[in-house]
Amino acid sequence: DVKVTQSSRYLVKRTGEKVFLECVQDMDHENMFWYRQDPGLGLRLIYFSYDVKMKEKGDIPEGYSVSREKKERFSLILESASTNQTSMYLCASSSVDRGYEQYFGPGTRLTVT
Amino acid sequence: KQEVTQIPAALSVPEGENLVLNCSFTDSAIYNLQWFRQDPGKGLTSLLLIQSSQREQTSGRLNASLDKSSGRSTLYIAASQPGDSATYLCAVIALWGGKLIFGQGTELSVKP
Repeated sequence: DVKVTQSSRYLVKRTGEKVFLECVQDMDHENMFWYRQDPGLGLRLIYFSYDVKMKEKGDIPEGYSVSREKKERFSLILESASTNQTSMYLCASSSVDRGYEQYFGPGTRLTVT
Repeated sequence: KQEVTQIPAALSVPEGENLVLNCSFTDSAIYNLQWFRQDPGKGLTSLLLIQSSQREQTSGRLNASLDKSSGRSTLYIAASQPGDSATYLCAVIALWGGKLIFGQGTELSVKP
C-alpha cells in the first residue's frame, strides 16, 4: 500500500515565523504535490514537483516555496508565516506507472496567530 | 480551462438507500478520473481511478462510470450505511503531468 506521511497533524506558529512542512512517500513516485484546503474554496494547488530538484508553481504559490532534494521527500516552506496562511495543508504523490492516481497524506492543520 | 462541477452539494439519505453522486467536466481531453472520500479534518482517501479508456470501475459497493464524450462521471453507492457519511470529491487528471482538477465535493449524510 502507498503511504504518504506528513510531519505534523497540528501546528501552531506565530506571524513572521519560518515554517517547514514535510511530506514523505514510500512508493518511489516521481510526482509530489502540495495543496491547501479552505472552507468554501476547496483544494488549491500550491506547488508540485516531477522529479528531484524540480518544482513547478501551482495556482497559489505566493508566500510559499518548496524543496525536493530526495525523491521521497517534498517540503513546503512558509518563509514568513501570515494569518491568511492558516489552513489545512495536504501533500500527495503519484506516478505515471499507476495512471497518475494521487495518494494523499493525513494533512497538517496549521494555525498562524 | 477545465472546470469540474459536482451536484448535489449536499445529500441526506436514510440507511439502505442506493444513491448516485454526479460529476461533470467541461473538457473531455482528460487522462483519467479519480473519486475520493474525505472525512472531517482528515486527508483524502482514493476510492476509484477510472482510466480514460474505461467506461466503469467497481470496488465493493461502489461503482463509478465515465462518459468522456458527454463530460460526465457518476459514483453509485449501493445499500448506503452511516459509515459512508463523508464528503465525496471527483477530480479529473490532466493529460500533462498528472495534475488534478477537483470538484467542490458532495457532502453525504446517511441517517440510521
